[in-house]
Amino acid sequence: NAGVTQTPKFRVLKTGQSMTLLCAQDMNHEYMYWYRQDPGMGLRLIHYSVGEGTTAKGEVPDGYNVSRLKKQNFLLGLESAAPSQTSVYFCASSYSGYGYTFGSGTRLTVV
Amino acid sequence: KQEVTQIPAALSVPEGENLVLNCSFTDSAIYNLQWFRQDPGKGLTSLLLIQSSQREQTSGRLNASLDKSSGRSTLYIAASQPGDSATYLCAVPYGQNFVFGPGTRLSVLP
Repeated sequence: NAGVTQTPKFRVLKTGQSMTLLCAQDMNHEYMYWYRQDPGMGLRLIHYSVGEGTTAKGEVPDGYNVSRLKKQNFLLGLESAAPSQTSVYFCASSYSGYGYTFGSGTRLTVV
Repeated sequence: KQEVTQIPAALSVPEGENLVLNCSFTDSAIYNLQWFRQDPGKGLTSLLLIQSSQREQTSGRLNASLDKSSGRSTLYIAASQPGDSATYLCAVPYGQNFVFGPGTRLSVLP
């Protein structure tokens, strides 16, 4: 089915380790986003991209980096994971801001 | 800054009831509003997208209305079923992004 695919679905990291979350969409959407969702905090925007080769900071960008080398992929990197980055991460895409399609999420635990 | 609130935070109803979920936003200069459903441990599923030129949007037992002037949207669920149990979130555009409400957790009891 067409949509947004996130990998991996689950991951446990040790403090200080690095990892990359991959988001892929096959709807030719220009805009892509990375959110984190924490209990009592709702969805918070980490980084976003309005097109291939572009990225911008969202509400909570510290500790994360992103890249959009291809239109269909948006990567979220953690260079040195911290326990505060334990969360559920969602990728989303949209066509110029009209409507969102979400991935199924990545549950990350940093110990 | 756009702020989105949702009332109530949680709702528990018996099966078959009609119910209304509320979403309020502070900046009325929006071009659309979207309602989502999130099941526990799952991602968000889009339910309805209302353009600013529309006042209502319907999908099956769901009806969403939008009143930009008052900064409000409501999601009406008719003849609720246990399968409707989930968290419902509204989202409005802000700049190049969306701002999400905190959600209403709905439980429909059989």
